[in-house]
Amino acid sequence: DAGITQSPRHKVTETGTPVTLRCHQTENHRYMYWYRQDPGHGLRLIHYSYGVKDTDKGEVSDGYSVSRSKTEDFLLTLESATSSQTSVYFCAISEQLAGGGGEQFFGPGTRLTVL
Amino acid sequence: AQKVTQAQTEISVVEKEDVTLDCVYETRDTTYYLFWYKQPPSGELVFLIRRNSFDEQNEISGRYSWNFQKSTSSFNFTITASQVVDSAVYFCALSEADAGNNRKLIWGLGTSLAVNP
Repeated sequence: DAGITQSPRHKVTETGTPVTLRCHQTENHRYMYWYRQDPGHGLRLIHYSYGVKDTDKGEVSDGYSVSRSKTEDFLLTLESATSSQTSVYFCAISEQLAGGGGEQFFGPGTRLTVL
Repeated sequence: AQKVTQAQTEISVVEKEDVTLDCVYETRDTTYYLFWYKQPPSGELVFLIRRNSFDEQNEISGRYSWNFQKSTSSFNFTITASQVVDSAVYFCALSEADAGNNRKLIWGLGTSLAVNP
């Protein structure tokens, strides 16, 4: 299994508080991704990173920011959590093959509840 | 726009039945990759297969097989002699490049498969 950990695994917080989720990899993969998963919506990309300090927005980036200061760590921050951000958050990593298209390997997920 | 459609939201079968999960995609790329993932009730996402657009050979892995047809833009997944342990949500995904040629995945909404004893 790819070495990907997420912390915390579960978190309950209150509306308006800042929250940071951490993804840590031991595979030295270039690409890292943050998704959220909600019933009826499948997996939606929040932000992704293609190298240290190189990040870009996904389809549901509003209300989220990310940082990647080291290859192995990718942080997702909710600046002021809202109830609509209650979700399961997955981190994924991949390498890009020649011609593109490396598979993504996923962390175990973080269940976040915003009250 | 690139898109992945999994028209079957839920499928229920009895153990030992064969079942096919459909995946239809839209892309303007000439080179692309397709993927299948499994998410069992425990919640983890498990990579099953990657297929590139130049390889239309069908793939078989045990009871699992995949049929890729560029002519119909489909990448269907068949489970033969299904078992209760196959109960899961299955996702199909398509690779997409951003302006910097960095790859992301476009995901279908998933098909929930229930295999009943």
